[in-house]
Amino acid sequence: GENVEQHPSTLSVQEGDSAVIKCTYSDSASNYFPWYKQELGKRPQLIIDIRSNVGEKKDQRIAVTLNKTAKHFSLHITETQPEDSAVYFCAASRDPRNAGNMLTFGGGTRLMVKP
Amino acid sequence: DTAVSQTPKYLVTQMGNDKSIKCEQNLGHDTMYWYKQDSKKFLKIMFSYNNKELIINETVPNRFSPKSPDKAHLNLHINSLELGDSAVYFCASRRDGYYTGELFFGEGSRLTVL
Repeated sequence: GENVEQHPSTLSVQEGDSAVIKCTYSDSASNYFPWYKQELGKRPQLIIDIRSNVGEKKDQRIAVTLNKTAKHFSLHITETQPEDSAVYFCAASRDPRNAGNMLTFGGGTRLMVKP
Repeated sequence: DTAVSQTPKYLVTQMGNDKSIKCEQNLGHDTMYWYKQDSKKFLKIMFSYNNKELIINETVPNRFSPKSPDKAHLNLHINSLELGDSAVYFCASRRDGYYTGELFFGEGSRLTVL
């Protein structure tokens, strides 16, 4: 099955700096890579995702990059703000249109943005 | 107008007891899941149901028994609770046939076994 490794497990940055979280996956057939944000005491929520037919996707201050050859993908947050403080999870799956393909999550990164 | 709702939010119980968590989604999704999040925040899938049928059953002790009376509901019953069962249990749902594959999570049910 799929195995997703995520680094670092904790990340502390100063407000305004950039943050980068990296993930690797093992299943070369995976083609869907979402990122979830979980604020303290809340549910995980999707913030951005990327499919294997693109190498990069941006949405305001967040961007994801994907290197299918190396089987790794990254989340980049620019101009960090205190409200970005949360646990971030990467995940990977084969074609999500097939209900039998499950999402495998990385171990999570606790991001702390210091004002 | 909650999309995925779970009850109860908190359970505190003694070892050896049996407990249930209920989940309902009003999104019209076909697939529902149970995830377990331990104290280190690791999210691990337990079960998945598609249109009331079990399609994913990870290596979960058979003390855990899911039940889906219809495609909008997925309940989790746990027998003979153990200390290691203490965790937050998240229900989630997803729309079939949609390439984005976004999971919609419930608010979580925090189970504490004493």
